[in-house]
Amino acid sequence: EAQVTQNPRYLITVTGKKLTVTCSQNMNHEYMSWYRQDPGLGLRQIYYSMNVEVTDKGDVPEGYKVSRKEKRNFPLILESPSPNQTSLYFCASSLVLTDTQYFGPGTRLTVL
Amino acid sequence: KQEVTQIPAALSVPEGENLVLNCSFTDSAIYNLQWFRQDPGKGLTSLLLIQSSQREQTSGRLNASLDKSSGRSTLYIAASQPGDSATYLCAVGNRGYQKVTFGTGTKLQVIP
Repeated sequence: EAQVTQNPRYLITVTGKKLTVTCSQNMNHEYMSWYRQDPGLGLRQIYYSMNVEVTDKGDVPEGYKVSRKEKRNFPLILESPSPNQTSLYFCASSLVLTDTQYFGPGTRLTVL
Repeated sequence: KQEVTQIPAALSVPEGENLVLNCSFTDSAIYNLQWFRQDPGKGLTSLLLIQSSQREQTSGRLNASLDKSSGRSTLYIAASQPGDSATYLCAVGNRGYQKVTFGTGTKLQVIP
């Protein structure tokens, strides 16, 4: 089954404790993105990747890192999480930017 | 910077009514526009993708149109059903800086 998977689905952590949210797709897509969704602000793009080893900042990259060492995986790293990073996070992929985006189920992160 | 607006933020209609959801964007330099639905606590499901060279796309009871020059798209839902109740989001793929920009969504309630 073609899908985008994210882990974990739910995470509660404390300020400053490094964490990684994994994202994997099995559709051989080149374009992958991370978004955060906050009430009243909608979805905002954090980082995106056009292909392996090619990543760039979205609209809200501060406090996040990403890597794209393999085509299928695009982990999101929070090296020192803060409470303002409490949010619902989505990973998405598409064959290329101009193609349909497929979304993962989301990761609900709470930073205390 | 691209801005995407969806009005109204919420809409309530009786079952069976035809309805139109609106999406407007400020920068016409786009690759495409995509409509999604999001159910509470769930991820995003792609409904329709319109490339910048296209005027409309149809899928079942859904029809999406795109007027790039005026920066507008509409999603037409025919014969609405309670199962159509969800939040509808539009997103544009931007030329030049390869990012995706989402609107804040329209929450639709179809009353039986």
